[in-house]
Amino acid sequence: AQSVAQPEDQVNVAEGNPLTVKCTYSVSGNPYLFWYVQYPNRGLQFLLKYITGDNLVKGSYGFEAEFNKSQTSFHLKKPSALVSDSALYFCAVRDGGGGATNKLIFGTGTLLAVQP
Amino acid sequence: DAGVTQSPTHLIKTRGQQVTLRCSPKSGHDTVSWYQQALGQGPQFIFQYYEEEERQRGNFPDRFSGHQFPNYSSELNVNALLLGDSALYLCATQDLNTGELFFGEGSRLTVL
Repeated sequence: AQSVAQPEDQVNVAEGNPLTVKCTYSVSGNPYLFWYVQYPNRGLQFLLKYITGDNLVKGSYGFEAEFNKSQTSFHLKKPSALVSDSALYFCAVRDGGGGATNKLIFGTGTLLAVQP
Repeated sequence: DAGVTQSPTHLIKTRGQQVTLRCSPKSGHDTVSWYQQALGQGPQFIFQYYEEEERQRGNFPDRFSGHQFPNYSSELNVNALLLGDSALYLCATQDLNTGELFFGEGSRLTVL
């Protein structure tokens, strides 16, 4: 079965510093990986996805993610954190591989706190 | 262009009652999925509707049921509510070209 794990419940970083939010995955077949962000009392917003191709994926709001097949990881990164980046971040994998309508399986989320 | 809209935004029910939540998809999207997000957890897939039929279902009991209308809007119904059904219920519609899911802001259900 497909799954993702987010090992950190919370990540604290100072504004202006680089940030990393970790995600590891377990899939059979090719992984289809996603990052979403959730602000308080809001729905989820799509940040970026990895389907195939370059291991470094660029997304919204200056975020990027690095796909590492040997380490089965898909860590979310940003070179310089902003206070407004403080939110809950979810890693997800598409179940069953390539079917575009297949459900997403989400991790438990990582709360990112950026201090001014 | 309106995104995914859900109603109501908040509601309170008591154990044993029934609830109906509603979702209007993003324009041009015809596939609607429902997710349950309990406090402190990631969203869990409930089911997906396409062409007015349930196409996929997650590990949820039959108390959870749904419907999709010809205009692609959808309802989620939960019968015999339990305290554990308290959660944020998210509706998502899909861009089949990119695979991206667009989420509504959710309906927060509290069961007392």
